[in-house]
Amino acid sequence: SQWGEENLQALSIQEGEDVTMNCSYKTYTTVVHWYRQDSGRGPALIILIRSNEREKRSGRLRATLDTSSQSSSLSITAAQCEDTAVYFCATDEGGLSGKLTFGEGTQVTVIS
Amino acid sequence: GPKVLQIPSHQIIDMGQMVTLNCDPVSNHLYFYWYKQILGQQMEFLVNFYNGKVMEKSKLFKDQFSVERPDGSYFTLKIQPTALEDSAVYFCASSLAGALAEQFFGPGTRLTVL
Repeated sequence: SQWGEENLQALSIQEGEDVTMNCSYKTYTTVVHWYRQDSGRGPALIILIRSNEREKRSGRLRATLDTSSQSSSLSITAAQCEDTAVYFCATDEGGLSGKLTFGEGTQVTVIS
Repeated sequence: GPKVLQIPSHQIIDMGQMVTLNCDPVSNHLYFYWYKQILGQQMEFLVNFYNGKVMEKSKLFKDQFSVERPDGSYFTLKIQPTALEDSAVYFCASSLAGALAEQFFGPGTRLTVL
């Protein structure tokens, strides 16, 4: 498998708390995509972090990438109820095809 | 933002029948993908398509599967004949470029094979 066993998670947090989810990968990647998937919908890209970047921010989201340990994290600051979703990381080996390899995802539930 | 549409949203068919899943990708996109997601499991790459040809396919893309996009119309995934293990949600995606590009996903087609 591309992914480590620690990727399958379900997290339940209170509104206003911070949450961090992690993923690790086993093969080379040029970029890590973080997607969120709302129930009954397709995934939507929220952050894309390239192999030459250690950190990327977008609003309340922060992604990190450590190519030496082949791991990436996504943090949500001051979570809100609308952040409830499944979050996936996906790697792109950089081949011409753009094939994505997805992790198992983390179900994040934000409770008010 | 750009939207990918998928038709139908649900399809129920008997094992052995043929099914065609339709995808209307973002209009100026050049790369097209199908992914398969079994309930509760991770999404898995099936195939991608560029310039009228399959670029890469996974081992999940069995001989019974085929894709095409005739004359810039729908990008389709055909399964003939279907098997019970084909039951899943199939997501179409499109992107402007191949590597390193954002892929825009449709809402999925839930296929149930009885």
